[in-house]
Amino acid sequence: EAAVTQSPRSKVAVTGGKVTLSCHQTNNHDYMYWYRQDTGHGLRLIHYSYVADSTEKGDIPDGYKASRPSQENFSLILELASLSQTAVYFCASSDQNSGNTLYFGEGSRLIVV
Amino acid sequence: GDSVTQTEGQVALSEEDFLTIHCNYSASGYPALFWYVQYPGEGPQFLFRASRDKEKGSSRGFEATYDKGTTSFHLRKASVQESDSAVYYCALGERGSNAKLTFGKGTKLSVKS
Repeated sequence: EAAVTQSPRSKVAVTGGKVTLSCHQTNNHDYMYWYRQDTGHGLRLIHYSYVADSTEKGDIPDGYKASRPSQENFSLILELASLSQTAVYFCASSDQNSGNTLYFGEGSRLIVV
Repeated sequence: GDSVTQTEGQVALSEEDFLTIHCNYSASGYPALFWYVQYPGEGPQFLFRASRDKEKGSSRGFEATYDKGTTSFHLRKASVQESDSAVYYCALGERGSNAKLTFGKGTKLSVKS
């Protein structure tokens, strides 16, 4: 049973439309993250959260918002999707008891047309 | 800011070959260093970590030694198998908490039988 689950796993969105990627974890971890994966760029941090109701900007936050309504759930929101946001998005969780090892979900493939 | 450089974008080997993937980092102090592996269609998964100079991390036959002098954490395996084909990511943890990870661009390893 996967401890970090993402939905949807795949989505095609229209340019200018709103996209919400959801992440749910059952690890009881305090920290959650959204990373973007692109060929040639590896994994880049978009937003992260240390506690419910609080989010922080990562290295590439422009064009993205995040929401952490509870310890278990963390969403990534693209208010106005653009072609350049076509990528695979990974959610992860961690906590200090696990040495801050990140546990990743299986990814959400987003294609913006 | 902190950064990780993986020299090889792709590596092609035959079974039983020796593997080296180079990883160099730029950061002050002693950040924790990590290796993650990503199999096709899956999210990245933790391989091992090291936190101090000269510390060796290892798992599944892979190993790397933290070298503060050369700011390196090269991944090595004595004899690769076809099942090792995957993308390997080197990463460093944020000073103080190790909650945030900065990843390299990844190295795709292809092993033929």
